[in-house]
Amino acid sequence: AQSVTQLDSQVPVFEEAPVELRCNYSSSVSVYLFWYVQYPNQGLQLLLKYLSGSTLVKGINGFEAEFNKSQTSFHLRKPSVHISDTAEYFCAVIPNTGFQKLVFGTGTRLLVSP
Amino acid sequence: DGGITQSPKYLFRKEGQNVTLSCEQNLNHDAMYWYRQDPGQGLRLIYYSQIVNDFQKGDIAEGYSVSREKKESFPLTVTSAQKNPTAFYLCASSMTGGWQETQYFGPGTRLLVL
Repeated sequence: AQSVTQLDSQVPVFEEAPVELRCNYSSSVSVYLFWYVQYPNQGLQLLLKYLSGSTLVKGINGFEAEFNKSQTSFHLRKPSVHISDTAEYFCAVIPNTGFQKLVFGTGTRLLVSP
Repeated sequence: DGGITQSPKYLFRKEGQNVTLSCEQNLNHDAMYWYRQDPGQGLRLIYYSQIVNDFQKGDIAEGYSVSREKKESFPLTVTSAQKNPTAFYLCASSMTGGWQETQYFGPGTRLLVL
């Protein structure tokens, strides 16, 4: 079975500061990895995903994530955040073999203040 | 504009009552999904359907039922057997149901028990 750990439930940062949201996963097989963002009272929107190839993945809104197989991590980064980045961020994984379900982490709330 | 619509935005359920949440998509996607989101938890899969007239249970299907009579529509019924239905319900769709595909989410329905 797969599992996803987002250790930080909340990350407060000041506007224009860099941020890293951590995601670690557990799986006995290779996985696909996703980051979704959820703005208040809305559905989820895909930020980026890793399927194969380059381990550095660039997404929308200036976010990027790096897949690290040895550390089983897929941390999300942004060099300079805006107030509008305030939202909840979910990491998700799915095995790339067979027919499996997407497994979500518990989410990290990013709070950007002026 | 293509997308997923969910209605109503808020829904109130009385004890012993069945309620139905609507989900419609005009993306021409084959696969549709229902998730439940509780505070501090990730999304949990209730049901999914990869093709019309076929659907599968997810991780927490007890107390819920679905139908898929049309490609565009995937309504979810929360039955009286679901003892703790208060949550945010999200509908999603993807092109064919391949798990490496991006899932597109609707805006959600918040269900509250009176």
